[in-house]
Amino acid sequence: AQSVTQLGSHVSVSEGALVLLRCNYSSSVPPYLFWYVQYPNQGLQLLLKYTTGATLVKGINGFEAEFKKSETSFHLTKPSAHMSDAAEYFCAVSEDNYGQNFVFGPGTRLSVLP
Amino acid sequence: GAVVSQHPSRVICKSGTSVKIECRSLDFQATTMFWYRQFPKQSLMLMATSNEGSKATYEQGVEKDKFLINHASLTLSTLTVTSAHPEDSSFYICSAPRNTGELFFGEGSRLTVL
Repeated sequence: AQSVTQLGSHVSVSEGALVLLRCNYSSSVPPYLFWYVQYPNQGLQLLLKYTTGATLVKGINGFEAEFKKSETSFHLTKPSAHMSDAAEYFCAVSEDNYGQNFVFGPGTRLSVLP
Repeated sequence: GAVVSQHPSRVICKSGTSVKIECRSLDFQATTMFWYRQFPKQSLMLMATSNEGSKATYEQGVEKDKFLINHASLTLSTLTVTSAHPEDSSFYICSAPRNTGELFFGEGSRLTVL
């Protein structure tokens, strides 16, 4: 069985500061890992994903994440926060790249302070 | 632009009535679509997998007779909440995988049952 934990249900950063959202997973098979962003009353938008290959993955809006197998982690970072980054962020793990067996983390709400 | 669209985005209904939510893939065919439920400040919970031309697969604990799913065509899946009650109020989200592997989410539908 797969599971995802996200440390910190709410993270606040100042505008321009580093964003770090933590994600740890467990999986019995090589995982596919995803980060999604959700703005209020909207669906989910894919930020980035790791399937195979390079462990540092770059996504949209300046976000990136690094897959660390030894730490079973897939933390999301952005060097400089922008006000528009305020949203809910979900880490997810899947056994495949087609949406089957998707398991979402509980989410982390990011607030960006002026 | 959106490649998976949900309608309606918001719906308010009286207790005891039925409500239908549509999920459409706009520029690709989807033999499979997924329906999720999201409670306030919580993550997405997979309710069921909608399969074109066959019965939906429901997750454990999801009432099949309460949440009717019909995948009538390769671009349309519907979720009908039957005899809705206030506890059914929630944010419902659908998703569909494209053949590239990427999973696209709809904008979500907020159901309020009075």
